[in-house]
Amino acid sequence: ETGVTQTPRHLVMGMTNKKSLKCEQHLGHNAMYWYKQSAKKPLELMFVYNFKEQTENNSVPSRFSPECPNSSHLFLHLHTLQPEDSALYLCASSPKTGSKQDSHVRANTQYFGPGTRLTVL
Amino acid sequence: GQNIDQPTEMTATEGAIVQINCTYQTSGFNGLFWYQQHAGEAPTFLSYNVLDGLEEKGRFSSFLSRSKGYSYLLLKELQMKDSASYLCAVTPGGSYIPTFGRGTSLIVHP
Repeated sequence: ETGVTQTPRHLVMGMTNKKSLKCEQHLGHNAMYWYKQSAKKPLELMFVYNFKEQTENNSVPSRFSPECPNSSHLFLHLHTLQPEDSALYLCASSPKTGSKQDSHVRANTQYFGPGTRLTVL
Repeated sequence: GQNIDQPTEMTATEGAIVQINCTYQTSGFNGLFWYQQHAGEAPTFLSYNVLDGLEEKGRFSSFLSRSKGYSYLLLKELQMKDSASYLCAVTPGGSYIPTFGRGTSLIVHP
C-alpha cells in the first residue's frame, strides 16, 4: 500500500482513441509527477506539478496532455498516440519540491503508484 | 546533462551478499536515492544519501562518495524476494527532482 493509486492498471487503445489515465495520492503531498518507463530505458520524467501548477514539461509531445485539478489528483489525457508510446506510465508524489529552505532528507522522496501498462495498437 | 551508470543485470545466491554500483556525473549534487522495483509493481524507496559515508538500514546499506561520483547498494543475507530491479537516482544541483538510471535487475537463485 503506497498511498498512490492509478487507474486503469492496463489499457489497450488504438491510435485514434482518446483515453485518460488517473492518479490519486492520499499522502497529503504537494508535488505530483508523470513518468514513462520503457523496457531497457531509464524512467523518463514527463510532467511535474507543484501545488497544482505545472513546473516541468520535459519536451513531451502534445498528444500527452496533463491535468492537475488539485494537489491530490493528476490526469494524463491521451489522444492520437503512436505504437512507440506503449510503456508503463507511473505517477508519483512527493511532500514538496523546489524548496531550498527545506533540508529534511525526505523532502523530495517520491512515492510511486503501481502504474498503468499502456499498449497502443 | 546528467549521466547515471549502473550494471544492467546481476545474479547472486540466496543467503549471499551483493553490491550494486552506481556512478554518476551531474551538474551539482543534491542527493542520491535507491529504489526497489519488483516486476509489474511501483518503485519503492530504499535509501537516500546526501553526505559521504554508509547508511545502514537492516539488511540494506547504501554508500556515497561525492568526490568520486559513486554509490553502492549493499544487500546482505539475500532472499528470493530480493529479486527485483534496483534504481539509482541522482538529484542534480539546483533541483529537487531526481534523474533515474536504467536500473539493475537482480536475480537471486537458490
